[in-house]
Amino acid sequence: AQSVTQPDIHITVSEGASLELRCNYSYGATPYLFWYVQSPGQGLQLLLKYFSGDTLVQGIKGFEAEFKRSQSSFNLRKPSVHWSDAAEYFCAVGGFSGGYNKLIFGAGTRLAVHP
Amino acid sequence: DAMVIQNPRYQVTQFGKPVTLSCSQTLNHNVMYWYQQKSSQAPKLLFHYYDKDFNNEADTPDNFQSRRPNTSFCFLDIRSPGLGDAAMYLCATSRDRASGTYEQYFGPGTRLTVT
Repeated sequence: AQSVTQPDIHITVSEGASLELRCNYSYGATPYLFWYVQSPGQGLQLLLKYFSGDTLVQGIKGFEAEFKRSQSSFNLRKPSVHWSDAAEYFCAVGGFSGGYNKLIFGAGTRLAVHP
Repeated sequence: DAMVIQNPRYQVTQFGKPVTLSCSQTLNHNVMYWYQQKSSQAPKLLFHYYDKDFNNEADTPDNFQSRRPNTSFCFLDIRSPGLGDAAMYLCATSRDRASGTYEQYFGPGTRLTVT
């Protein structure tokens, strides 16, 4: 069965520090992988996606993620965190059923940023 | 800008009083989804429409229904809201598998309070 694990429920970093959010997935075929960000009281915004090709993908807001098939991981990184990055981050794997895509979400990682 | 719009952003209803949440999209996507998200949890898929075809998740309560009168609009009806239905409701859209794109685009959500 498809599943996504985000091991860290809460992470706190200082502004300007680097960030890595972990994501592990279980999927029987080549996965379609996504990171979404959700600010309080808002919907989900797509940060980046991986379908194929280069395993290091760049996203919006200075984020990047690296797909490692051998580790079944898709970790999100940012070299220098800004206070506005405080939010909930969801990793998701996409699978197909019929003609539509279905997202399986991880439980999320809540990021707090200290000034 | 093309987008997913949800109205209202905040909805208060009484226990047992039917309520309808609205979603519209200007992306012209085939597929529309409704998710329920409770505090500090991942979004949970309730159902989706692939064009006019309605697809219910197996564990979605009968209390939740949906309508899609045309490509642009989709409604979530909660027939008899209980206190446990208080949550954020997210609408999302995507193209179908044949398009070769797989991401979902989310609206800002409707926060439902049940009194």
